[in-house]
Amino acid sequence: GIQVEQSPPDLILQEGANSTLRCNFSDSVNNLQWFHQNPWGQLINLFYIPSGTKQNGRLSATTVATERYSLLYISSSQTTDSGVYFCAVVPNSGGSNYKLTFGKGTLLTVNP
Amino acid sequence: DAGITQSPRHKVTETGTPVTLRCHQTENHRYMYWYRQDPGHGLRLIHYSYGVKDTDKGEVSDGYSVSRSKTEDFLLTLESATSSQTSVYFCAISVGQVVNSPLHFGNGTRLTVT
Repeated sequence: GIQVEQSPPDLILQEGANSTLRCNFSDSVNNLQWFHQNPWGQLINLFYIPSGTKQNGRLSATTVATERYSLLYISSSQTTDSGVYFCAVVPNSGGSNYKLTFGKGTLLTVNP
Repeated sequence: DAGITQSPRHKVTETGTPVTLRCHQTENHRYMYWYRQDPGHGLRLIHYSYGVKDTDKGEVSDGYSVSRSKTEDFLLTLESATSSQTSVYFCAISVGQVVNSPLHFGNGTRLTVT
């Protein structure tokens, strides 16, 4: 099956710093999503971004489908950004959300 | 907020007892999913539904059954709970009328089987 690798596995920042999280995948995809799981366990959909660039406030994401990676940018980080960030993909051969494969996540800690 | 409510939020049960978890949505979305999340395994799909009475198995369906008699409710049943089913269970929906839409999750149910 498709492999999804996220880096770095862990990241510690001071409040106000910027960061870039990366998601590499081993096959072409038709569906890529980024999620944030906060310290209370809630999973929030950040972006649905199979290709191109999107921005939502301090967060933005870029997927370069031809090169099989996606980047999540967090600017001016806040303590509320802490948690685990997951990338999830569906391969072109897989078809749909039924085959969403999650990466292992990046654990982000933002210190005040 | 995609209007997803999971119940109960926490449950402790004994090995061998049946358990039903409920997922309720208020926005009439077609596609619904049950996941479990475990350390070292991440999120794994248990079952999914693509309409009323239309369900299918996911990656880790053994020991679980589901039912969807109404658009808004998707039930997950553990017929005879085992300790290996101790986990956090998430319901999710595809927010949109096509299956490849953004996935939104409920707040989860923490299940402990003793």
